Amino acid sequence: DAEITQSPRHKITETGRQVTLACHQTWNHNNMFWYRQDLGHGLRLIHYSYGVHDTNKGEVSDGYSVSRSNTEDLPLTLESAASSQTSVYFCASSESGSGYSEQFFGPGTRLTVL
Amino acid sequence: KQEVTQIPAALSVPEGENLVLNCSFTDSAIYNLQWFRQDPGKGLTSLLLIQSSQREQTSGRLNASLDKSSGRSTLYIAASQPGDSATYLCAVKDTGRRALTFGSGTRLQVQP
Repeated sequence: DAEITQSPRHKITETGRQVTLACHQTWNHNNMFWYRQDLGHGLRLIHYSYGVHDTNKGEVSDGYSVSRSNTEDLPLTLESAASSQTSVYFCASSESGSGYSEQFFGPGTRLTVL
Repeated sequence: KQEVTQIPAALSVPEGENLVLNCSFTDSAIYNLQWFRQDPGKGLTSLLLIQSSQREQTSGRLNASLDKSSGRSTLYIAASQPGDSATYLCAVKDTGRRALTFGSGTRLQVQP
């Protein structure tokens, strides 16, 4: 079955370190998304990609970057981790070319920045 | 900017009750609306997707309705069970966007 995997599932890091969260999907979807989930804020969009070499900023993109070198992967990098980036991060994907397609989510990565 | 609100934030019911979860959104120009379930410490599981041209969708004991003009959706759960205990999230996809805008969720507890 097609799926979205995320790694690591849990990560503890220190302020100022660079961290990369991996996302891999086997749906062959062109659209991929990163969200963060925080108490009181729900899920908010960080970055998204509509295809290889395409990346776009979401509503909370400061301090994060993504790159898309193939269809399957969209890694999320925290350039210099801050305590405010302690959160649960979800990767998602959906079919391209259709505004009507369903979005599927990975299991999430819980990141703690000390 | 689209805003999605879910009421109530938390709900506790005895087993066997039929219940309704509410979702409202401010901009009616949407492609679709998705309902998700999230168990503690887990990811999001898609329950139902309603396209903007549809009025409702059903899956087992779940029925979701959409009134786009009034900016409202409801998720109806029939004969609730303890296994239904989870947080239920509503999300809309605006016309011209492919990302979702989420509500904060309703945390449901079904008492045995």
